[in-house]
Amino acid sequence: IAGITQAPTSQILAAGRRMTLRCTQDMRHNAMYWYRQDLGLGLRLIHYSNTAGTTGKGEVPDGYSVSRANTDDFPLTLASAVPSQTSVYFCASSVDSSNEQFFGPGTRLTVL
Amino acid sequence: GQNIDQPTEMTATEGAIVQINCTYQTSGFNGLFWYQQHAGEAPTFLSYNVLDGLEEKGRFSSFLSRSKGYSYLLLKELQMKDSASYLCAVMDSNYQLIWGAGTKLIIKP
Repeated sequence: IAGITQAPTSQILAAGRRMTLRCTQDMRHNAMYWYRQDLGLGLRLIHYSNTAGTTGKGEVPDGYSVSRANTDDFPLTLASAVPSQTSVYFCASSVDSSNEQFFGPGTRLTVL
Repeated sequence: GQNIDQPTEMTATEGAIVQINCTYQTSGFNGLFWYQQHAGEAPTFLSYNVLDGLEEKGRFSSFLSRSKGYSYLLLKELQMKDSASYLCAVMDSNYQLIWGAGTKLIIKP
């Protein structure tokens, strides 16, 4: 692994289903983030973690949950997907919360 | 509320210079970032300004005026590969990035 990876690359999901988007980094970064990117809008922060064991809510946290059991992994779970969660999801990490963020390749999620 | 404004789209000619502006109103300020994002790809970091003035990095430069809530990204000697979206983001008092919607730059031969 080099940098930050996300899985799956893309997914089509029926409304009401549960889905976990995976994110792993091998840079030993303390901080990790989940964003969604929708056409015509800026990146919007869903959840973040400044260090392993801690998480916080961003601008649009409703319908999403995260965990940070260790430094490397930061999964994002949609408990019961809805069509408005159709988006491109980016995971990012940074050395700490004040530094530039490095982004994973993204997951394109469609909820029908 | 917090707000980042940048033009939706700009067009420029290969070999020319283009300036992409960004104005912001945020709760606190801990720096301004510029990212490049090619279509279908992830954003990649270009520059960071926290003090007033110009930061130069090769063909790309970024300027900041904190008193005016204003920044610009200057791209020189434009190449076709510079066709991309350019995202302006401000780090607020909680060290969270507030993002503009991005400026799509189209380079014509």
